[in-house]
Amino acid sequence: ELKVEQNPLFLSMQEGKNYTIYCNYSTTSDRLYWYRQDPGKSLESLFVLLSNGAVKQEGRLMASLDTKARLSTLHITAAVHDLSATYFCAVLLTGNQFYFGTGTSLTVIP
Amino acid sequence: KAGVTQTPRYLIKTRGQQVTLSCSPISGHRSVSWYQQTPGQGLQFLFEYFSETQRNKGNFPGRFSGRQFSNSRSEMNVSTLELGDSALYLCASSLAGNTGNTIYFGEGSWLTVV
Repeated sequence: ELKVEQNPLFLSMQEGKNYTIYCNYSTTSDRLYWYRQDPGKSLESLFVLLSNGAVKQEGRLMASLDTKARLSTLHITAAVHDLSATYFCAVLLTGNQFYFGTGTSLTVIP
Repeated sequence: KAGVTQTPRYLIKTRGQQVTLSCSPISGHRSVSWYQQTPGQGLQFLFEYFSETQRNKGNFPGRFSGRQFSNSRSEMNVSTLELGDSALYLCASSLAGNTGNTIYFGEGSWLTVV
């Protein structure tokens, strides 16, 4: 069975600092998504990565995909409080069947 | 344009009852999938429908079922509810499956089983 592991599970960081969330998965796939979830809310799409070496950036977030290493990263630059949320990576296999990571709960401290 | 709409948003049911949740995808989207989110198990895939056909099914008991109508709206049903079925049930839609389209999630249906 496909396993998707994220680390860290919990991340507390100060405003202005940089950090990276890692997403490892156990099978070949070139379709990796990142989502954000605020407490009590649904999932908001952040990035769709569709090929080896794909890199996408939006504001203070940058995501990359290395299909050979089966690794995706979500890099946070100069964190601000508004980025506090839970971040999920998800590997897409057949159809729209996602395998989600465990999630990383990010808290940005002023 | 309107997003993915799920109803009801919140509901409380008693053990042994059944429940039906509804999902209206974004207009033009033909693929609808369902997920269960719990603190203990995280986000788990239930099933996916495309053009009224179930295309994939997750590892859930037969008490969980679903269907899709010709207008792409989907319903999922859980029979003989158990306490462990308490969860957030999320519906997701996209134009078509496995093409790299963005997949959009609804706000979810919060189910509490007492």
